[in-house]
Amino acid sequence: DADVTQTPRNRITKTGKRIMLECSQTKGHDRMYWYRQDPGLGLRLIYYSFDVKDINKGEISDGYSVSRQAQAKFSLSLESAIPNQTALYFCATSDPNYNEQFFGPGTRLTVL
Amino acid sequence: GESVGLHLPTLSVQEGDNSIINCAYSNSASDYFIWYKQESGKGPQFIIDIRSNMDKRQGQRVTVLLNKTVKHLSLQIAATQPGDSAVYFCAENGQETSGSRLTFGEGTQLTVNP
Repeated sequence: DADVTQTPRNRITKTGKRIMLECSQTKGHDRMYWYRQDPGLGLRLIYYSFDVKDINKGEISDGYSVSRQAQAKFSLSLESAIPNQTALYFCATSDPNYNEQFFGPGTRLTVL
Repeated sequence: GESVGLHLPTLSVQEGDNSIINCAYSNSASDYFIWYKQESGKGPQFIIDIRSNMDKRQGQRVTVLLNKTVKHLSLQIAATQPGDSAVYFCAENGQETSGSRLTFGEGTQLTVNP
């Protein structure tokens, strides 16, 4: 089984709808991250959490919110989706003692 | 602002040749660098990393070189195979260490021709 899973894998929605992307991990890592990837661009950090009670904004947090429900779960919400939020979204985890981040398979979101 | 970027967006090589993918970084405080491989439809996967107290680190068929003087990082892939075709990203940890935020470059698309 995959260590980092994301649901859904694909989602098409309309402008103005609320969307939640979910991430679960079985690696036992305290740190979790949400990234966005656009064509021709690298990964940009949206939000990150270093433990269950910790939430931090990344470089592009506007229009997004997150919830760290448990050590293993970190969800990303788009309160009112807009077309320029069409992108690939990746969740990642890391151990505090190491820099390497482990990525999920991604969610492809299309906002019409 | 601080950024990590790549010199070339695409690289095409023949199977069996060696590949070199380059990355420039601007944050002189970064002390950790990592290369990821992203295949189509998948999330990034770790390839190799290096700390700033090293100039070179080797893995299986891959070598990462770090030149701190010119803030340059490269990934060398020996005897490139079709399965190496993917987008390669470099990333740096900025001023933080240990399980920290990473700043990613834009990526280089490597295509291996049979």
